Parts: sequence; structure tokens; C-alpha cells
Amino acid sequence: QSALTQEASVSGTVGQKVTLSCTGNINNIGSYGVGWYQQISRGAPKSVMFGNSLPSGIPDRFSGSKSGTTASLTISGLQPEDEADYYCSTWDHSLRAQVFGGGTKLTVL
Amino acid sequence: EVQLVESGGGLVQPGGSLRLSCAASGFIFSDYYMYWVRQAPGRGLEWVGRTRNRYNIYTREYGAAVQGRFIISGDELQMNSLKTEDTAVYYCARGEISREWYIDYWGQGTLVTVSS
Repeated sequence: QSALTQEASVSGTVGQKVTLSCTGNINNIGSYGVGWYQQISRGAPKSVMFGNSLPSGIPDRFSGSKSGTTASLTISGLQPEDEADYYCSTWDHSLRAQVFGGGTKLTVL
Repeated sequence: EVQLVESGGGLVQPGGSLRLSCAASGFIFSDYYMYWVRQAPGRGLEWVGRTRNRYNIYTREYGAAVQGRFIISGDELQMNSLKTEDTAVYYCARGEISREWYIDYWGQGTLVTVSS
């Protein structure tokens, strides 16, 4: 059981806006920003969001936010190449561990 | 250009040992937190451990599943007393310079199979 909770699957059509969520507690998301990682076809993960800031090279249709102990990754104008598994992660100062969500499978219809 | 290349994966018997390496280039290794993250077949990402940077005296921290069996030393991950459940792709990754809980670069991974 993961320390962070994500939807198992989310789907959307090309051009649609979708939001993925990540829920934790005061010791992790409540204390630190959340990173989001994209994994296409079980390849190496790729960083797509640090809190609400975009890593270099990531299109601005990706955005991030946080409210309390829940973080969100929003993709506006969904593209076929966005189909992937998405993982959220942050530090948990109580567990003294980096924690991950179980991952959300995003399907582009 | 930042690059992380893992090596050393392979097949090992239960109870055996294996050492993975992470060849880093394009940045000053000692300035960054470095992570090891693994992914078992069909499963999600799992934190293995990390080493802090030189400013934090290279303190190392480990996940509960590997504590006492795995050791991070510089750019290497020494894995001892391996179990079948340690079978996974192991990734080396870098923490962002000022917000080290964000992982900004990942290697391509190396597969470790623990089986008799």
C-alpha cells in the first residue's frame, strides 16, 4: 500500500483537460512540494512537474498545484503522446523516506 | 548534458550479492543528492535509498524493505542478502539542487533478477 494515493486510471480525449490527483498527509504533501513523473511503456521515468514549476523542455500544457495534503497534475489540451503512467512523489519527514504514489494510468482516447 | 547510466544488473541467486554502478556526467556529483529507485515487474516505483550531498556529509537513508541489506557508497549500490522480491529494474536518479526531494534526472535503469 502506497503512502500517497493516486487514481488507478484516468482517460480523456485529444484536446481535453484532465487532472490527476495525489493525496497524502501532513508529513509528506503537507510539508513538501510534489514531483510528478511520467513513464511511457515501462521506459525510464521522466520528470514533468516540480510542485507548480515546469522542468526544462516540458510543454506548458502541464501544470501543477497543491491544496493542503492533495497535489494535482493538470494536462490541458491532451495529446496522444501524453498517454503514460504518472507517479507522484515527495519526502516524508516522519517516515524519513521518499514516498511514491501507486501511479495513474492515463489513456488518451 | 546530464547523463546517468546504470550498470551491473543481472541474474543472482537468492541470498547472493550484486553491486550496481551509476556513471554520472555533466554535473558535479558531490553537489547533489542521489537516489536509487526500483520498479518490480508490473509494479510501481519504489524508493530504495539516497545519499545526501557533500554539504550534508553524504548521509545515507534507506527504504524499509532494504534497510540493513543494501548499502549506498558514492555512485554504487551494494545489494546483499538478495531476495526474490528484490527483482526489479533499478534506476539511479538525481535530486534537484535546491529542492532535493524533486528528482530531476533519471538513468535508463538496469535489471536485477533474483532467482534460483
